[in-house]
Amino acid sequence: SQQGEEDPQALSIQEGENATMNCSYKTSINNLQWYRQNSGRGLVHLILIRSNEREKHSGRLRVTLDTSKKSSSLLITASRAADTASYFCATYSNSKLTFGKGITLSVRP
Amino acid sequence: DTAVSQTPKYLVTQMGNDKSIKCEQNLGHDTMYWYKQDSKKFLKIMFSYNNKELIINETVPNRFSPKSPDKAHLNLHINSLELGDSAVYFCASSPRMDSYYEQYFGPGTRLTVT
Repeated sequence: SQQGEEDPQALSIQEGENATMNCSYKTSINNLQWYRQNSGRGLVHLILIRSNEREKHSGRLRVTLDTSKKSSSLLITASRAADTASYFCATYSNSKLTFGKGITLSVRP
Repeated sequence: DTAVSQTPKYLVTQMGNDKSIKCEQNLGHDTMYWYKQDSKKFLKIMFSYNNKELIINETVPNRFSPKSPDKAHLNLHINSLELGDSAVYFCASSPRMDSYYEQYFGPGTRLTVT
């Protein structure tokens, strides 16, 4: 069954702007992960945040996790055309990853 | 060097046929997975193997049979293919089966059943 729900479903921004994507989930988790999928390719892991962490950074990425609200956000700063892709949040519990439906991000040059 | 590889990349076949997809990882990981991504990009786990042992079988029809001959390989055999099996199938691996690790995905196999 689906666990993560991303919001918005699609996002279009200008190069240089920041992109914020949200994810909500329903049950308790061990960790939450974000993945990127370029068109016709496999998924690439971006960042993992554990249930006892609140914020994590990696390069231009910032992820927050609020376990009381069962929600996470992914911020991509200073976006580039190469960031155009689908982004998925995935929750880890019961030894498996459960993915959301994904967010399509388009970055206009 | 490709970390997680799958063959074939594309597979077009008719209903009722039997087909296999192969997956290999050269990362030395213990755990491997099969996922199915449908036309709406929804990605769902099908199976996971840890050290060649089946751990998760996510209510997949028994027409799907995974096989792990060794830790580096996880193959997927599908019998009596149906139209609804059309999807992209991804293999993935992770160092261990616990919550500390991310997963590494292969490039996918696009299966089209006609």
